Amino acid sequence: GAGVSQSPRYKVAKRGQDVALRCDPISGHVSLFWYQQALGQGPEFLTYFQNEAQLDKSGLPSDRFFAERPEGSVSTLKIQRTQQEDSAVYLCASNHLAGPEQFFGPGTRLTVL
Amino acid sequence: RKEVEQDPGPFNVPEGATVAFNCTYSNSASQSFFWYRQDCRKEPKLLMSVYSSGNEDGRFTAQLNRASQYISLLIRDSKLSDSATYLCVAYTGNQFYFGTGTSLTVIP
Repeated sequence: GAGVSQSPRYKVAKRGQDVALRCDPISGHVSLFWYQQALGQGPEFLTYFQNEAQLDKSGLPSDRFFAERPEGSVSTLKIQRTQQEDSAVYLCASNHLAGPEQFFGPGTRLTVL
Repeated sequence: RKEVEQDPGPFNVPEGATVAFNCTYSNSASQSFFWYRQDCRKEPKLLMSVYSSGNEDGRFTAQLNRASQYISLLIRDSKLSDSATYLCVAYTGNQFYFGTGTSLTVIP
């Protein structure tokens, strides 16, 4: 498959646990975005990478959230000391610089108990 | 104030009906606009881009009014398969701003 993939698809964490969410963008896509989507809401921007450079992290809700893309392809979103309010679907999207269309992965549904 | 505002609905319409969704955006510097479709528990997928001149793709017509900072989506001859949430999106700087989505259910 040539689409964006994310893993795990589902994650249940106990409050206080650290989690790591992975995104594999479409090969050759320079831009990569992370979003948080709460139930009944639209996706909310978290952070943006162009290749390995994190150009915008203004949407990260707290310093417990950290994202990286060290080699400009796969990205990891890490959430430390998870809280119940972190429960949401975390979506990754990539797009080629030549066009604005974003291609989304299936998301990781995080539930913090 | 959110960057993009949409009426969340829900809109429940009979098959064959015409339905219109509206959306407003707050940043006049927004460069591009889109409608995405999101099925339940699935990822958003691009439905169509929105151009100032208006554009049509089969039963779907999108319009942009920059003066009023307003975007619309018209669906003609609704099909059962059109049931989904429709997300209005404004691209500003390096960010895509999504509305909360408008829920559509097409009833047989």
